[in-house]
Amino acid sequence: KNQVEQSPQSLIILEGKNCTLQCNYTVSPFSNLRWYKQDTGRGPVSLTIMTFSENTKSNGRYTATLDADTKQSSLHITASQLSDSASYICVVSFSGGYNKLIFGAGTRLAVHP
Amino acid sequence: GAGVSQSPSNKVTEKGKDVELRCDPISGHTALYWYRQSLGQGLEFLIYFQGNSAPDKSGLPSDRFSAERTGGSVSTLTIQRTQQEDSAVYLCASSGLLEGVGETQYFGPGTRLLVL
Repeated sequence: KNQVEQSPQSLIILEGKNCTLQCNYTVSPFSNLRWYKQDTGRGPVSLTIMTFSENTKSNGRYTATLDADTKQSSLHITASQLSDSASYICVVSFSGGYNKLIFGAGTRLAVHP
Repeated sequence: GAGVSQSPSNKVTEKGKDVELRCDPISGHTALYWYRQSLGQGLEFLIYFQGNSAPDKSGLPSDRFSAERTGGSVSTLTIQRTQQEDSAVYLCASSGLLEGVGETQYFGPGTRLLVL
């Protein structure tokens, strides 16, 4: 069964600190992995997209890593800001005529001053 | 507008009533997706439209759910005889051409449906 699991479910950190969110998947055949940020009451917004051959991709203070062998990904947030408070969703795409997306349940991050 | 828009933003209805949710994709995007997001759950794929091709309806949870896309642009998701378990946020997304590596789905703000 194609699944995406994220951990932790929720996380509280102080402003300025770093954090790492985890994603494990069992999607096959794998096409690409994305991280989305979803602010409360808004739709998800794409942060990064990585293919099978990419190990890391950065977008400002966000750095995503991918280990296609172990089927694990992480999202590292550096020097967190209050505006980073949101849900971070790991999404894995598998090829089935078109790239169908399997969504994780997300990690809810709260950054406190 | 520049982004995906959805209406209404909130909908409260009584069990057994029908509801219609609307999605206006980004102009020129040929692919349109509907998802459902229940509290504490990941997004659940419902239906996919691509140009004039037959839609992929494999994610629709029951025959009470249907969707159409008129003129390759605006889409309407209809839920008939709503049930309390239909309460969720319904998200629409669109993307350009075929969804492939490098293409990304742009999401609307969602419609929050509450069935009493």
